[in-house]
Amino acid sequence: NAGVMQNPRHLVRRRGQEARLRCSPMKGHSHVYWYRQLPEEGLKFMVYLQKENIIDESGMPKERFSAEFPKEGPSILRIQQVVRGDSAAYFCASSPQEEYGYTFGSGTRLTVV
Amino acid sequence: SQKIEQNSEALNIQEGKTATLTCNYTNYSPAYLQWYRQDPGRGPVFLLLIRENEKEKRKERLKVTFDTTLKQSLFHITASQPADSATYLCAPSYSGNTPLVFGKGTRLSVIA
Repeated sequence: NAGVMQNPRHLVRRRGQEARLRCSPMKGHSHVYWYRQLPEEGLKFMVYLQKENIIDESGMPKERFSAEFPKEGPSILRIQQVVRGDSAAYFCASSPQEEYGYTFGSGTRLTVV
Repeated sequence: SQKIEQNSEALNIQEGKTATLTCNYTNYSPAYLQWYRQDPGRGPVFLLLIRENEKEKRKERLKVTFDTTLKQSLFHITASQPADSATYLCAPSYSGNTPLVFGKGTRLSVIA
């Protein structure tokens, strides 16, 4: 089992472009979570998804950000019209059900230039 | 609003000693609490989960306590080693479809 796979590891985008971050959860895990981390800051919750459903998106900005976890394929976090303030490490985690420890991926480091 | 506080941003201790990290929470009644380790440039790694009806949990050199009256969890690493140097995060949580909210973490440095 390869664990939670995130790609790309590093992503550079110019202001105004779109960023797509992908996350393949561990096999058998149906719960996916996205977090953002700024340098020297804590992990900030963004969105929680189960297959084809958004369970909680309370941490995700209402504009420019969207997330999906389709029936087939990885979960995608999409950021439209990126700005410098979007530069951060984005981590995806998965769990088999509630009240279990999360397995995190290695993250995608987004740099907006 | 809900708040999670982890003691001092950084903690330095000598190799072989016991490191004790504190997690305090307010405006919370969590059903369980988790501890994670994060190394620079990497994702957090799950260490332990303790439920509200458990006072203490152990795993190898790690020990976690959970005091729902004090609203506090203590995380101990006994016989600490330089390889234990990392940032440790706590995450109290409700049961149900509630995603984890993490404290800012305590950066532990174990000096040889």
